[in-house]
Amino acid sequence: QSALTQPRSVSGSPGQSVTISCAGTSTDVGAYNYVSWYQQLPGSAPKVMIYDVSKRPSGVPDRFSGSKSGNTASLTISGLQAEDEADYYCCSFAGSYTFVFGTGTTVTVL
Amino acid sequence: QVQLVESGGGVVQPGRSLRLSCAASGFTFSSYALHWVRQAPGKGLEWVAVTSYNGDYKTSADSVRGRITISRDNSKDTLYLQMNSLRPDDTAVYYCARALMPTGGRYYFDYWGQGTLVTVSS
Repeated sequence: QSALTQPRSVSGSPGQSVTISCAGTSTDVGAYNYVSWYQQLPGSAPKVMIYDVSKRPSGVPDRFSGSKSGNTASLTISGLQAEDEADYYCCSFAGSYTFVFGTGTTVTVL
Repeated sequence: QVQLVESGGGVVQPGRSLRLSCAASGFTFSSYALHWVRQAPGKGLEWVAVTSYNGDYKTSADSVRGRITISRDNSKDTLYLQMNSLRPDDTAVYYCARALMPTGGRYYFDYWGQGTLVTVSS
């Protein structure tokens, strides 16, 4: 159960787009369409932003989108806003009720 | 509204034990798989353990297997994590989170508690 690999940080100016990659294996990301993404603000619990690779929960802005190709998933934030500055974690179902998280990415709005 | 409230954290010496609780309200507790996820200070999220909706199935991460026991009491809407032989690298905020799986097909954590801090130190 090795952590999924994410870039340590990404940054962009307001209005720009940023994409966070999440590299897994054929036993987690590549095996299931159950990748989710979580936003974590300092001192707070994580909040789901994307589930089932590309679905957005009610209330999540449509500037957040997700995709997957092979063993790699991606989260794109379009039209970056100051309030999007946070840590983001991908997560994949890995079979038999288990999950694996990504290493986490800090998004900085310049 | 849905609430998950963890308790039981604190400072404990290496080798000792601790039991965490997660009290749920605002939803049908017995319908959901419940998970523990932890986060060491300044580090990322780590999935720890899960119990199925009725407690019949349980499993945990390799990093804690053999030292932790996850359980639930559906009559009390409460989830537990018994942690034994604690080590300094178990120091973390421990979150409980729910997922409506597998019957609900929701393989993600839609609600989380606020977390409880466990510090393992002599």
